[in-house]
Amino acid sequence: TQLLEQSPQFLSIQEGENLTVYCNSSSVFSSLQWYRQEPGEGPVLLVTVVTGGEVKKLKRLTFQFGDARKDSSLHITAAQPGDTGLYLCAGATGNQFYFGTGTSLTVIP
Amino acid sequence: SQTIHQWPATLVQPVGSPLSLECTVEGTSNPNLYWYRQAAGRGLQLLFYSVGIGQISSEVPQNLSASRPQDRQFILSSKKLLLSDSGFYLCAWSGDRGQHEQYFGPGTRLTVT
Repeated sequence: TQLLEQSPQFLSIQEGENLTVYCNSSSVFSSLQWYRQEPGEGPVLLVTVVTGGEVKKLKRLTFQFGDARKDSSLHITAAQPGDTGLYLCAGATGNQFYFGTGTSLTVIP
Repeated sequence: SQTIHQWPATLVQPVGSPLSLECTVEGTSNPNLYWYRQAAGRGLQLLFYSVGIGQISSEVPQNLSASRPQDRQFILSSKKLLLSDSGFYLCAWSGDRGQHEQYFGPGTRLTVT
């Protein structure tokens, strides 16, 4: 089983603060995805990173894939209440996707 | 554009009763299909995935089974539900040509009483 550990598990911050969420594994993945999920809904894809060392930006969100393609990070600048949700990373190998343990983010106005 | 549907949205069933959850995808052909279960606020546990009609791979031994009677239809079933089957069930699809993205349905909240 290929495990992806996310840290922190829970995060509560004030609006305007910066934060980083980590996704770590001992396995190599062909790609890694980040999703955001609202309560009672399905996860929504934010980004896919494929190349080791790749950095992608989505407005205030910056995603990085580790050089060895075993880990990733998500950095949010100037967090807003609308960023609140469960953030999930997922590593892809072949036809299978392995999901991380999740980070629950709460941004307090 | 592609869309994915799941029903029902919520379900309350007694222990020992059967289960059938349905997932359909529109706007794509020969998708890879997946069933996941999610505990509250946590990551997703892969239950089954399918790369084609009648082809089902099971990831976790359990009280559940899956079937794919048509290209874009994926069904999750149980003959007798257990209390431990309660959870949030998500269906997802991905492309069949090595695309890395998965797209999820709205989910089914199952409560076994």
